Amino acid sequence: GQQVMQIPQYQHVQEGEDFTTYCNSSTTLSNIQWYKQRPGGHPVFLIQLVKSGEVKKQKRLTFQFGEAKKNSSLHITATQTTDVGTYFCAGLNMDSNYQLIWGAGTKLIIKP
Amino acid sequence: KAGVTQTPRYLIKTRGQQVTLSCSPISGHRSVSWYQQTPGQGLQFLFEYFSETQRNKGNFPGRFSGRQFSNSRSEMNVSTLELGDSALYLCASSLDGGPGFGNIQYFGAGTRLSVL
Repeated sequence: GQQVMQIPQYQHVQEGEDFTTYCNSSTTLSNIQWYKQRPGGHPVFLIQLVKSGEVKKQKRLTFQFGEAKKNSSLHITATQTTDVGTYFCAGLNMDSNYQLIWGAGTKLIIKP
Repeated sequence: KAGVTQTPRYLIKTRGQQVTLSCSPISGHRSVSWYQQTPGQGLQFLFEYFSETQRNKGNFPGRFSGRQFSNSRSEMNVSTLELGDSALYLCASSLDGGPGFGNIQYFGAGTRLSVL
C-alpha cells in the first residue's frame, strides 16, 4: 500500500546546529502536512504544502515540497531547546480513499 | 473556543477487559479520527468518522471499534484487551470533510491506556 517514509528516526544535535527531516512517498501526493509533538504532548499542526516545488518559512523553519510532489523536507536553522520533539509528516493521496498517510516521525534531541 | 477533549486521561485495565474512550471535538468539527501511538511506532490510524459514519479504517483487528453521535462526539471501544494494546490513544477533529480533504487536524491530549 501507499507509504510515506520519514528519515532519520532520530537526530541528535548540539544547540545551535541545524536539523533536517525528510519524507518520501511511493506515490504522488495531493498535499503534505507537518506536525510537531513535544515530549509528553500531542501533535500540533505546523504547516500544509500543496503546490509542486512550494517552499514556506516560519521563522527558523523551512518547509519544502518536491517538484514531483513525492517528497518533502523540514529544515530548522540554529536549533533551540524549544525545538525538541518529534516531527511528523502526513501526506494525502487521493488514491488512498482520502486518507492521510503518516510518516513514522523524526525525534529531535538536543545534546546536553 | 474549547479544544478537543478526551476522557479519561489515564486508564488501567487488565487483560480480557474492555474499555471505552471518549472524544469531544472542537465545536463545529464533524470529522473525528482516532490514532494509536506506542513508543517508536509513530501514529497508527485506527478510523475516521464523519457525520456518524465510519469513512476510513486502518489495519486494526475487529476488537477495535468506534462510533460517532449526532453531536459529533465519538467513542472508541476496545474489547478483550491484550497487553499490546497499552498505548496513547489520540483523537483528532477536523472541519467539514476531514483530513482526507486537506483539513488540519486538531489533536486532543490523549488517553493513556495501560493493560496489565
